[in-house]
Amino acid sequence: EAQVTQNPRYLITVTGKKLTVTCSQNMNHEYMSWYRQDPGLGLRQIYYSMNVEVTDKGDVPEGYKVSRKEKRNFPLILESPSPNQTSLYFCASSFPGLAGAEQFFGPGTRLTVL
Amino acid sequence: GNSVTQMEGPVTLSEEAFLTINCTYTATGYPSLFWYVQYPGEGLQLLLKATKADDKGSNKGFEATYRKETTSFHLEKGSVQVSDSAVYFCALSSYNTDKLIFGTGTRLQVFP
Repeated sequence: EAQVTQNPRYLITVTGKKLTVTCSQNMNHEYMSWYRQDPGLGLRQIYYSMNVEVTDKGDVPEGYKVSRKEKRNFPLILESPSPNQTSLYFCASSFPGLAGAEQFFGPGTRLTVL
Repeated sequence: GNSVTQMEGPVTLSEEAFLTINCTYTATGYPSLFWYVQYPGEGLQLLLKATKADDKGSNKGFEATYRKETTSFHLEKGSVQVSDSAVYFCALSSYNTDKLIFGTGTRLQVFP
């Protein structure tokens, strides 16, 4: 089954404790992206990757890191989480460069930083 | 910059009522337009899309027409069901980027 998986689905942590949210896709997509969803703000892009070893900042990259060592995986790293990073996070993937290409979303990771 | 504006919710309807969720956009060039749906506890799924002016996207009884003259992409359904209760996001992607720019989302609640 074609899908994007994320782990964990729920995470409660404390300020400053490094964490990683994993994202994996099995559709051989070159393009992968992380979004955060906040009430009244919709989804905003954090980072994206056009292919292996190619990453770039989205609209709200502060406090986040990513890596793309393999095509299928695109982990999101919070080296020192803060309460303003409490949010719902989505990973997405697609084939790049196609007008109207559908992006496939993972189920989401709900993060609470105390 | 590019942006999407959609009506605030929640939209509350009785089953079989007509649905319209308004969406307007600002973009340079010729963006592709999308409606994504988020059911409770799930990720976003593509509902429909349109890639050029006057195109009509349709799926599961929902429709939206790409209107360049009014920069709009309103979502409509003739008869909603309880199972349509979800959050609906309008989004665009520019011709030269894969990034999706989302509206704030509209929650639809359908009661029997």
